[in-house]
Amino acid sequence: GQNIDQPTEMTATEGAIVQINCTYQTSGFNGLFWYQQHAGEAPTFLSYNVLDGLEEKGRFSSFLSRSKGYSYLLLKELQMKDSASYLCAVLDSNYQLIWGAGTKLIIKP
Amino acid sequence: IAGITQVPTSQILAAGRRMTLRCTQDMRHNAMYWYRQDLGLGLRLIHYSNTAGTTGKGEVPDGYSVSRANTDDFPLTLASAVPSQTSVYFCASSEGTGDGYTFGSGTRLTVV
Repeated sequence: GQNIDQPTEMTATEGAIVQINCTYQTSGFNGLFWYQQHAGEAPTFLSYNVLDGLEEKGRFSSFLSRSKGYSYLLLKELQMKDSASYLCAVLDSNYQLIWGAGTKLIIKP
Repeated sequence: IAGITQVPTSQILAAGRRMTLRCTQDMRHNAMYWYRQDLGLGLRLIHYSNTAGTTGKGEVPDGYSVSRANTDDFPLTLASAVPSQTSVYFCASSEGTGDGYTFGSGTRLTVV
């Protein structure tokens, strides 16, 4: 079966750095996405990795290791507005997105 | 503003009633999707359409039907609503393979 695992909830302090991990087992791999979802809102696109390595985009970076079936999202200089759920999703061999349940990130002042 | 419009934004529905959730996109994306999102379960695919005129079943299709008569519209119908269909429903679209999805703002449905 297909499976994506990420922690249910994480807590971090404003101004700090947090790393949200995602491991996956899917039938095929055509890329990994990270989305941000604020409570009561739709998911919005953050990043896309298809090759191994680190992709940096401002305060957010995403890392992929295909051999390990592993990715992480790194958030730097945390702000209160970063409080949200972060969803990991893998594009499988049929180009369908398989979603993790999401990680709720709580930022404390 | 380009994007996806979902109607209604919320609805309370009596069990046994028929309901159609509307989804319209103006980005000319080929692929469209319907998801439900329940606490602790993440997004689950109900039905999808890779292009106008074609549809496919996702992970949880039972009790739902879709149609794709044209590129822009992808309505989701609940033929006879049941309380377990209480959820937040998101419509999404993408240009095709390897592209991120754009989501509508969601429809919060409560079946009583």
